[in-house]
Amino acid sequence: GAGVSQSPRYKVAKRGQDVALRCDPISGHVSLFWYQQALGQGPEFLTYFQNEAQLDKSGLPSDRFFAERPEGSVSTLKIQRTQQEDSAVYLCASKNLGDTQYFGPGTRLTVL
Amino acid sequence: GNSVTQMEGPVTLSEEAFLTINCTYTATGYPSLFWYVQYPGEGLQLLLKATKADDKGSNKGFEATYRKETTSFHLEKGSVQVSDSAVYFCATPPYSGGGADGLTFGKGTHLIIQP
Repeated sequence: GAGVSQSPRYKVAKRGQDVALRCDPISGHVSLFWYQQALGQGPEFLTYFQNEAQLDKSGLPSDRFFAERPEGSVSTLKIQRTQQEDSAVYLCASKNLGDTQYFGPGTRLTVL
Repeated sequence: GNSVTQMEGPVTLSEEAFLTINCTYTATGYPSLFWYVQYPGEGLQLLLKATKADDKGSNKGFEATYRKETTSFHLEKGSVQVSDSAVYFCATPPYSGGGADGLTFGKGTHLIIQP
């Protein structure tokens, strides 16, 4: 079946702009995760949903970051008033039962 | 919470060489351990995993054994190929005994295989 998809794959924003990144998880997967991967680093956890409930948002770096999954399927990560330090690859992953997460290709955000 | 530390690269080897990428963990209890691989221009893919001590995960010729005595989960392959060139990440859940939270990753090891 189809894997996790993310859009857009690349996004360039001017400092101060708002951006919205989309994640389509594997159909039927209950859990959805967002990660931030800075250049040359490992992914860092941002937030986690189980169905539509956001159970953990401890990794969100500031209140400019907001994530939602209103119908328990597609999720959107929104970054308000982007800053240069927000430049990174944003990864989405989903899983069902068990502990194996399946990752999307990521969205590369560049803030100028 | 739990964490992993992996050797930093880049690691450069010739084709058919033996590969070891070290990963050690710090954890309360015995969490699952994972190796993910990121090929150029692609997303993270699960390479292998082990869910309890003494388990061996294997896939595509790669192996890793969950060793509680040395708190390690080193990745090995007997004969690497150019196509194995990628970045490899060791990972574990932040808390043992639960599968709900996100993974904690090492910094990644860039592997370069020369023909």
